Amino acid sequence: SQKIEQNSEALNIQEGKTATLTCNYTNYSPAYLQWYRQDPGRGPVFLLLIRENEKEKRKERLKVTFDTTLKQSLFHITASQPADSATYLCALGFTGGFKTIFGAGTRLFVKA
Amino acid sequence: SQTIHQWPATLVQPVGSPLSLECTVEGTSNPNLYWYRQAAGRGLQLLFYSVGIGQISSEVPQNLSASRPQDRQFILSSKKLLLSDSGFYLCAWSQGWLSYEQYFGPGTRLTVT
Repeated sequence: SQKIEQNSEALNIQEGKTATLTCNYTNYSPAYLQWYRQDPGRGPVFLLLIRENEKEKRKERLKVTFDTTLKQSLFHITASQPADSATYLCALGFTGGFKTIFGAGTRLFVKA
Repeated sequence: SQTIHQWPATLVQPVGSPLSLECTVEGTSNPNLYWYRQAAGRGLQLLFYSVGIGQISSEVPQNLSASRPQDRQFILSSKKLLLSDSGFYLCAWSQGWLSYEQYFGPGTRLTVT
């Protein structure tokens, strides 16, 4: 069956450390993968998109990797801050661009 | 710049009552529009998407329907709500073939009692 899985347990880290979140998928062949941030009671906010032919993408303190062989994406936040505390969603996208499959998200808590 | 509006922000409705949620986008033309539902602790479930006026694709058969009467207006409706319709409803837009990232509205928290 088709699945997209993110760490179901919350991730607790100390301020200044690097947070690493995982997104694994099964029986999908995405053309691209996106990461979103969602704060409680609010809509998700787009962070980064990485295509199937890209290995790594960076934006400020954020880094995303995409391994189509392992069917996995890793999302890193370096020098994490308490303001980074939120739920992070990964989403698979496909050729054609309309249908997007979202994971359930991972809650990140950064302690000062 | 582009903005997306959704209303109402919260809604409590009895089982069997009708539903109408509205979403409008400003600052862009011919966007792709989406309705998602998010149950507590779960991912976003795509309900409908639209690539143009009057063009609606349904992803999940259920008692909900969607309409796009104008280019930047997307409406989610139901004739009779079920308890299972409770959730956080999100509208989103993307700029068609130019980019894939989606921009979400503030959401509507629906509780069916």
